Amino acid sequence: ETGVTQSPTHLIKTRGQQVTLRCSSQSGHNTVSWYQQALGQGPQFIFQYYREEENGRGNFPPRFSGLQFPNYSSELNVNALELDDSALYLCASSPRGVTEAFFGQGTRLTVV
Amino acid sequence: AQKVTQAQTEISVVEKEDVTLDCVYETRDTTYYLFWYKQPPSGELVFLIRRNSFDEQNEISGRYSWNFQKSTSSFNFTITASQVVDSAVYFCALSDPPSGYSTLTFGKGTMLLVSP
Repeated sequence: ETGVTQSPTHLIKTRGQQVTLRCSSQSGHNTVSWYQQALGQGPQFIFQYYREEENGRGNFPPRFSGLQFPNYSSELNVNALELDDSALYLCASSPRGVTEAFFGQGTRLTVV
Repeated sequence: AQKVTQAQTEISVVEKEDVTLDCVYETRDTTYYLFWYKQPPSGELVFLIRRNSFDEQNEISGRYSWNFQKSTSSFNFTITASQVVDSAVYFCALSDPPSGYSTLTFGKGTMLLVSP
């Protein structure tokens, strides 16, 4: 059974640029959630996708957007990057209706 | 609004000591789930335990044990006979009601350093 995988592992971007992060969910999991973890903080919920539709959103501006594909993989897009967007971005997948989430290893984004 | 508080920022112990990580939560929901995750330096969050709000039985898994007390809104985690490999950041988290999807509210984490 393949776990949750994220790419890339590390990324450096310049302020104002756009970035796309990718996540492959665990086999059989149709729900994908994205979290942002700033240094020294706990992860914060960005949004969740179920069957290709956004199914819940945290307190993040519209420049954070996402997609889910028919194979349940997902992308997180961030436009107009700001220095404060520097963080570890974690993807989690779960079967529908199950509260337990399984996390990937994360993508560490640095905005300079 | 949901909130999870982990008052201990960092704990240092010597190998074989017992250590307890505290977690206090706030929620208006009567149905909820509590979790503990471990985050080693690699960054991945490793699931340790899930407990629902209707099950206050304490649980033991090897050297790990959890104490859930609704009366004090606490869900504490104890590691018995700590080992160097236990060094990591530990997060307590609270889940929205199981309405078909799960989102987690995390505490700020407790960094545990176990020295030989």
